Amino acid sequence: DTEVTQTPKHLVMGMTNKKSLKCEQHMGHRAMYWYKQKAKKPPELMFVYSYEKLSINESVPSRFSPECPNSSLLNLHLHALQPEDSALYLCASSPFAGSTDTQYFGPGTRLTVL
Amino acid sequence: RKEVEQDPGPFNVPEGATVAFNCTYSNSASQSFFWYRQDCRKEPKLLMSVYSSGNEDGRFTAQLNRASQYISLLIRDSKLSDSATYLCVVNGDQGGKLIFGQGTELSVKP
Repeated sequence: DTEVTQTPKHLVMGMTNKKSLKCEQHMGHRAMYWYKQKAKKPPELMFVYSYEKLSINESVPSRFSPECPNSSLLNLHLHALQPEDSALYLCASSPFAGSTDTQYFGPGTRLTVL
Repeated sequence: RKEVEQDPGPFNVPEGATVAFNCTYSNSASQSFFWYRQDCRKEPKLLMSVYSSGNEDGRFTAQLNRASQYISLLIRDSKLSDSATYLCVVNGDQGGKLIFGQGTELSVKP
């Protein structure tokens, strides 16, 4: 079962709201990722967690705050977002955060910031 | 120079056609290479990993030329369901980091 699940599927929020995106995998993977994807562009890496520790932060603004409560769950907390943050947010997981590991993507959360 | 560059596309082909996608990468130390496909408003899905000896999966053949830092994907006997964006992906310089090409859009017409 190579399934990564994400909730919610769609989210509309105002610039003053606080919301969270959730991601879950039960494949025993020890690496999890957040990506942001704008229309007609490839995914852009935001964060990498390896063994529940943040290993890569691609200079993401602090209004995005990741959290990895355990090896199966990954959250992305959102606060004071801007309209330009509207995008598809993809979660992915892989067995390890190694250079040869295949990443499996969840269906994404489509975020609209008003 | 972009780290991973792909044919800009879009490719519009009739059903049954053979289509080839090309990709070049800049980091000669790269070790892992993948083709993902992404349907409109869906997540990227792994199509195939690319190995040095080349590999085939049904109608899909992937080739890697390390000397030229070039990757290709050949689709034979195109189906309508092959219509998607094809992403060339190479591992980055940090563990777990993937570098995506801009994607090449394929549209297969009846």
